[in-house]
Amino acid sequence: DADVTQTPRNRITKTGKRIMLECSQTKGHDRMYWYRQDPGLGLRLIYYSFDVKDINKGEISDGYSVSRQAQAKFSLSLESAIPNQTALYFCATSDSDRSGYYGYTFGSGTRLTVV
Amino acid sequence: AQSVTQPDIHITVSEGASLELRCNYSYGATPYLFWYVQSPGQGLQLLLKYFSGDTLVQGIKGFEAEFKRSQSSFNLRKPSVHWSDAAEYFCAVAPNTGRRALTFGSGTRLQVQP
Repeated sequence: DADVTQTPRNRITKTGKRIMLECSQTKGHDRMYWYRQDPGLGLRLIYYSFDVKDINKGEISDGYSVSRQAQAKFSLSLESAIPNQTALYFCATSDSDRSGYYGYTFGSGTRLTVV
Repeated sequence: AQSVTQPDIHITVSEGASLELRCNYSYGATPYLFWYVQSPGQGLQLLLKYFSGDTLVQGIKGFEAEFKRSQSSFNLRKPSVHWSDAAEYFCAVAPNTGRRALTFGSGTRLQVQP
């Protein structure tokens, strides 16, 4: 099994629908992140969580919400999906030890299309 | 806030040729710097990182990067490229406090010609 698992792998949804992307990890890491990737824009941070009770907005959090249900689970929700949220979404984890702050482990991504 | 610029969107090199991918950062102090690689259909994998000390850092797969404070750069190099190096490469930066997430550049897509 993968260290960081994202579900679903692919999803097509309609404008206005609520959708949840899920991420679970077996690394035992405290820190978890959600990024979206768009061609030519790289990865942009949506939300991040340093532990279950510490959740922070990233640079593009508008239109998104998150839930950290447990150390191992971090879900991203689009309350009312719109076409410009069509993108590849990545979940990542990292250790809270100083040397591991930024050694991210990435999931394989969720490709979301909003029509 | 920190930012990262990768000026080259796409680079093509011949197999066996040397490679240099450029990365410039903006940050008030010396940040932590990283290079990640993304193979098609995959997530990102850490190639190397710079925290402090020796400005030339070695990574996996034969890659190295040099931190130049005076130029605010952290360029990635490889002396001889293999066809399997074709991928997208991302430079990333973070403050040295550890209380922020990584900021990624826009990426450079590397194509390797036989």
